[in-house]
Amino acid sequence: GAVVSQHPSWVICKSGTSVKIECRSLDFQATTMFWYRQFPKQSLMLMATSNEGSKATYEQGVEKDKFLINHASLTLSTLTVTSAHPEDSSFYICSAPPTGNSPLHFGNGTRLTVT
Amino acid sequence: DAKTTQPPSMDCAEGRAANLPCNHSTISGNEYVYWYRQIHSQGPQYIIHGLKNNETNEMASLIITEDRKSSTLILPHATLRDTAVYYCIVRRYTGNQFYFGTGTSLTVIP
Repeated sequence: GAVVSQHPSWVICKSGTSVKIECRSLDFQATTMFWYRQFPKQSLMLMATSNEGSKATYEQGVEKDKFLINHASLTLSTLTVTSAHPEDSSFYICSAPPTGNSPLHFGNGTRLTVT
Repeated sequence: DAKTTQPPSMDCAEGRAANLPCNHSTISGNEYVYWYRQIHSQGPQYIIHGLKNNETNEMASLIITEDRKSSTLILPHATLRDTAVYYCIVRRYTGNQFYFGTGTSLTVIP
């Protein structure tokens, strides 16, 4: 079945540094990928839609200059959290829709802790 | 996409059927009902989806009312590993992102 891989699974960084999270579709091509953020005991919140060959689309209230998204190829999207602060500490999850009749598949998430 | 309403939490005895309800009264004709679950600190896992007919797979059954305004996910024989947050989502079939509601936290009790 369709598999979405996310890397790293967890990362700890210092305040003010930038962190890059990768999302790969392993056995299918994805022209779009979706990035979510989840705070403890809360639901997943859609942050942005990553589009191969064009700019990402951000949800209302999400700072595009802080959360840089690059859809480098049909199998790779990256989310860079720039100048991270402790309030950016969260669980970040990507997903992609395979072609055909498969439902949306999710990566296993990246736990970001900013100290 | 239509919004969904789910009870915040439920308990179920191990080995019994777990019935998780979902209301989606504003669903439109071309929107499917999807169910996912999320075990702590993992990405959501697909369970099942349907349009208007009841569906069954190796994990669960999905019962959709005739007016499509509500549905029920049934885990026929709940195990401790089924303890998770279950999300009911409605969206058009392909290409659109999912918007998650608050979900139901299911606890399977030994």
